[in-house]
Amino acid sequence: GQQLNQSPQSMFIQEGEDVSMNCTSSSIFNTWLWYKQDPGEGPVLLIALYKAGELTSNGRLTAQFGITRKDSFLNISASIPSDVGIYFCAGPYNYGQNFVFGPGTRLSVLP
Amino acid sequence: DTEVTQTPKHLVMGMTNKKSLKCEQHMGHRAMYWYKQKAKKPPELMFVYSYEKLSINESVPSRFSPECPNSSLLNLHLHALQPEDSALYLCASSHPGTGMGKLFFGSGTQLSVL
Repeated sequence: GQQLNQSPQSMFIQEGEDVSMNCTSSSIFNTWLWYKQDPGEGPVLLIALYKAGELTSNGRLTAQFGITRKDSFLNISASIPSDVGIYFCAGPYNYGQNFVFGPGTRLSVLP
Repeated sequence: DTEVTQTPKHLVMGMTNKKSLKCEQHMGHRAMYWYKQKAKKPPELMFVYSYEKLSINESVPSRFSPECPNSSLLNLHLHALQPEDSALYLCASSHPGTGMGKLFFGSGTQLSVL
């Protein structure tokens, strides 16, 4: 079945540092979604990507749709304490009826 | 408005209880989902309703019973649950069938089964 991998699994960074994480698949996706989840809350959609090579920003967040269509990248610039959480990538399949999620990258920001 | 509303926020129930989780969206989405999420894990799909019809049931035990009364509402009826069913239950919605949809989640119901 569809499967996504994310790296790193977790990261500890100093406040103000930039962050990079990625999501890879053995299958081609036509859409990549990036979510952030705080403890006890539902995932919040950060960025959606629809085209190979596309680069999209949302404030300090920038995501890219890999040109092979099998990967995507998320960067966070100048991290702040509220960036703490789990970041999930996801992609639709089965004609958009279902969505597969990566295992997540847990981000901790040290003051 | 990109809001999916779930109630209750928290639920504690015994193994003999019957309870229901409720979800509502007003984005005109015609696909609605129930996901189960254990701590530090990604969401796992339970059910998908597409145009108010159950289109995907991921081999979920019958003690979980979904219901989609109309295009805006989704319920999950719970009966005779086990302690291992304790988890965060997430409702989500999207436009189905395009392959380019965005999935929007509610804030979840944190369920504890005693």
